[in-house]
Amino acid sequence: EVQLVESGGGLVQPGASLKLSCVASGFTFSDYWMSWVRQTPGKTMEWIGDIKYDGSYTNYAPSLKNRFTISRDNAKSTLYLQMSNVRSEDTATYYCTRYPMGITDYFDYWGQGVMVTVSS
Amino acid sequence: DIQMTQSPASLSASLGETVTIECLASEDIYSNLAWYQQKPGKSPQLLIYYANSLNDGVPSRFSGSGSGTQYSLKINSLQSEDVSIYFCQQNYDSPWTFGGGTKLELK
Repeated sequence: EVQLVESGGGLVQPGASLKLSCVASGFTFSDYWMSWVRQTPGKTMEWIGDIKYDGSYTNYAPSLKNRFTISRDNAKSTLYLQMSNVRSEDTATYYCTRYPMGITDYFDYWGQGVMVTVSS
Repeated sequence: DIQMTQSPASLSASLGETVTIECLASEDIYSNLAWYQQKPGKSPQLLIYYANSLNDGVPSRFSGSGSGTQYSLKINSLQSEDVSIYFCQQNYDSPWTFGGGTKLELK
């Protein structure tokens, strides 16, 4: 069974940094492109970016590229999202998502999500 | 970025009814569209990809159609477990973008 389990969220002050993790199981993590998607409290969905199966390539939403960094450790089957200089508008639930094998079009599995609240 | 306009924003329907949700892209996305279902308090789940391909395990009462800029999700014979928020997502051009969601409730 495919499982994606996010962690690392919580309350963070504006301007701070935060690193989210996503541990994957139930599939060969190193074979799949992975992605992060967030959902605001108002339910708006926003794609953050993705990373190639071997970690050699990343792609980001232009609006987030300068502050967010996606990485992975295939030995640990773990995906990361480093968030820097966070703002109130980054308050959201962050989902780790998987693309189907060999493509980067839609998300066939989603984690349970981790909440991040940016507030002083 | 490609804008995705979803309608209606909310919908109330009776058990057994057929409902349709629309998604309009700001440009031709050549059927590169997915639909997701998000049940209350849960994470989204893939329903349909490439506009009309049903994901494994999804009941056949769900169907997708459309082309160009206009797409729709149809739910036949509405069941209580279909109460959810439904999102469309284009995967034709990065950054991938989502519709605003349709909240489906029972009447």
